[in-house]
Amino acid sequence: QKEVEQNSGPLSVPEGAIASLNCTYSDRGSQSFFWYRQYSGKSPELIMSIYSNGDKEDGRFTAQLNKASQYVSLLIRDSQPSDSATYLCAGETAGGTSYGKLTFGQGTILTVHP
Amino acid sequence: GAVVSQHPSRVICKSGTSVKIECRSLDFQATTMFWYRQFPKQSLMLMATSNEGSKATYEQGVEKDKFLINHASLTLSTLTVTSAHPEDSSFYICSASQGGGTEAFFGQGTRLTVV
Repeated sequence: QKEVEQNSGPLSVPEGAIASLNCTYSDRGSQSFFWYRQYSGKSPELIMSIYSNGDKEDGRFTAQLNKASQYVSLLIRDSQPSDSATYLCAGETAGGTSYGKLTFGQGTILTVHP
Repeated sequence: GAVVSQHPSRVICKSGTSVKIECRSLDFQATTMFWYRQFPKQSLMLMATSNEGSKATYEQGVEKDKFLINHASLTLSTLTVTSAHPEDSSFYICSASQGGGTEAFFGQGTRLTVV
């Protein structure tokens, strides 16, 4: 059973703080990982993708991947109330005809309070 | 990013009827499309993988005769919920990939309510 687990949350941080979201995965064959943000009643939107060990930064967002530990994280700096949403971690196992097939974690609800 | 359009965004149907949901890739050819279902306060669960020109691959526990998937062209996949029941009420989301390790893009989702 290929699983992706997220810290359950909910997570509440004050505006301007750093929000840290964590995710572990069980399938060592997973090559690509994604963080999605989902607002209530809406479809997920991609925030970050990461494929290699180390850090990847994009604006206020930094994704970290450690394949040895099977661990993925997302840091949100200078958190804003508009960042309040459910964050979904997803892993993809490459190969065959399943490109784009994702296994999602259960999601972490983030609330940024003013 | 690429655009995936899903239609309708909301649908209410009577129990026992069938509902068709369309997923279109507007500016790229989607070799593979995926259908997910999301119940309230839960994560997305993959229902099936749809490859153009071939039969869909269903995940364990998903009834292929109830959830009919057709991927007749590289830009369109449809999901038909047959003989819908109230427990089929959910948020259905499609995603489309160009293949070759590229990311998948999500449609807007369809809120299905069966009454």
